Amino acid sequence: EAQVTQNPRYLITVTGKKLTVTCSQNMNHEYMSWYRQDPGLGLRQIYYSMNVEVTDKGDVPEGYKVSRKEKRNFPLILESPSPNQTSLYFCASSFGGLSPLHFGNGTRLTVT
Amino acid sequence: RKEVEQDPGPFNVPEGATVAFNCTYSNSASQSFFWYRQDCRKEPKLLMSVYSSGNEDGRFTAQLNRASQYISLLIRDSKLSDSATYLCVVNKNTGNQFYFGTGTSLTVIP
Repeated sequence: EAQVTQNPRYLITVTGKKLTVTCSQNMNHEYMSWYRQDPGLGLRQIYYSMNVEVTDKGDVPEGYKVSRKEKRNFPLILESPSPNQTSLYFCASSFGGLSPLHFGNGTRLTVT
Repeated sequence: RKEVEQDPGPFNVPEGATVAFNCTYSNSASQSFFWYRQDCRKEPKLLMSVYSSGNEDGRFTAQLNRASQYISLLIRDSKLSDSATYLCVVNKNTGNQFYFGTGTSLTVIP
């Protein structure tokens, strides 16, 4: 089954404790990206990647890191999480160009 | 100015009604347009792409007006199961970044 898989689904952590949210897709998509969704603000792009070893900042990259060492994986790293990073996170992938995005099922992160 | 703007609603309509949403975008060079459906903070799911000539999928019709820079979604014969948030998504001219509206909430009432 074609899908984007995120883990974990739920994560509660404390300020400053490094964490990684994994994202994997099995559709051979070139393009992958991370979004956060907050009430009243909609989905905002954190980082995106056009291909292996090619990443770029979206609109809200501060406090996040990503890597794209393999085509299928695009982990999101929070080196020192803070409470303002409490949010719902989505990973998405696409063939790129004008193709639509396919989303993972989300990670609900709470930083206390 | 936001890249993509939608009326957040909520729209509360009776079963069987026809409802229409509009979404405006600011970048005239935007190239691709989509409507997504999102249920209860689950992942957005593609409802339909929006083509220049307009397109229809069952009870759903999407249209693009490049001159006025808006896209629309029309839902005919609303069902209870249509209750959700509808997101307008626009791909910038570079093709690298997708911009989302904040969503329009629809509740279909029995």
